[in-house]
Amino acid sequence: EVQLVESGGDLVQPGRSLRLSCAASGFTFDDYAMHWVRQAPGKGLEWVSGITWNSGNTDYADSVKGRFTISRDNAKNSLYLQMNSLRAEDTAFYYCAKDVGGSISWYRRPFDSWGQGTLVTVSS
Amino acid sequence: EIVLTQSPGTLSLSPGERATLSCRASQSVSSNYLAWYQQKPGQAPRLLISGTSSRATGIPDRFSGSGSGTDFTLTISRLEPEDFAVYYCQQYGRSPTWTFGQGTKVEIK
Repeated sequence: EVQLVESGGDLVQPGRSLRLSCAASGFTFDDYAMHWVRQAPGKGLEWVSGITWNSGNTDYADSVKGRFTISRDNAKNSLYLQMNSLRAEDTAFYYCAKDVGGSISWYRRPFDSWGQGTLVTVSS
Repeated sequence: EIVLTQSPGTLSLSPGERATLSCRASQSVSSNYLAWYQQKPGQAPRLLISGTSSRATGIPDRFSGSGSGTDFTLTISRLEPEDFAVYYCQQYGRSPTWTFGQGTKVEIK
């Protein structure tokens, strides 16, 4: 069974940094691209960032580009999101998501497994 | 930038009724790379449909997707109690690469 468990969410002041982690199990982690998707409380879903299986390609939403960095450690079956210069509008639940895999370009794959999320609150 | 607009915002229906949810894109969706997700309160989203009409593993056949170009539809043929939730469409393959609609809430009438 696929399991994705996020951690690292916290209450932080604007301008500070935070690092999120996602521990993966139940599948061959390095066969899949991985993503972070966020959801402000009571709001819709917003894709944040993605990374290919070998870290060769990454992509970011414009809203976080230059502030957030996605990375992964395939030896540890883990995905990370380093968040710097945090703003109030970054307040959200952050979900780790696995793509469906396959031979098609990673840009053309939806997400078939999600974690339960970790809450990041940015407030003074 | 491609924008997805879902309608209606809220759909009030009774169990057993048919639900029709719309997702309209501001530009043509690349190769019909359109997915639908279901999210229940306090839970993570679940993939229902990918590639416009392909049901994900374990998804009942009362869920069906259709459409092309800029207009897409998720149909739930007969609502079961567990189907009352929020539904999101997502396009993938066109910049910005993965974008979601704002969601449609299906509530019990």
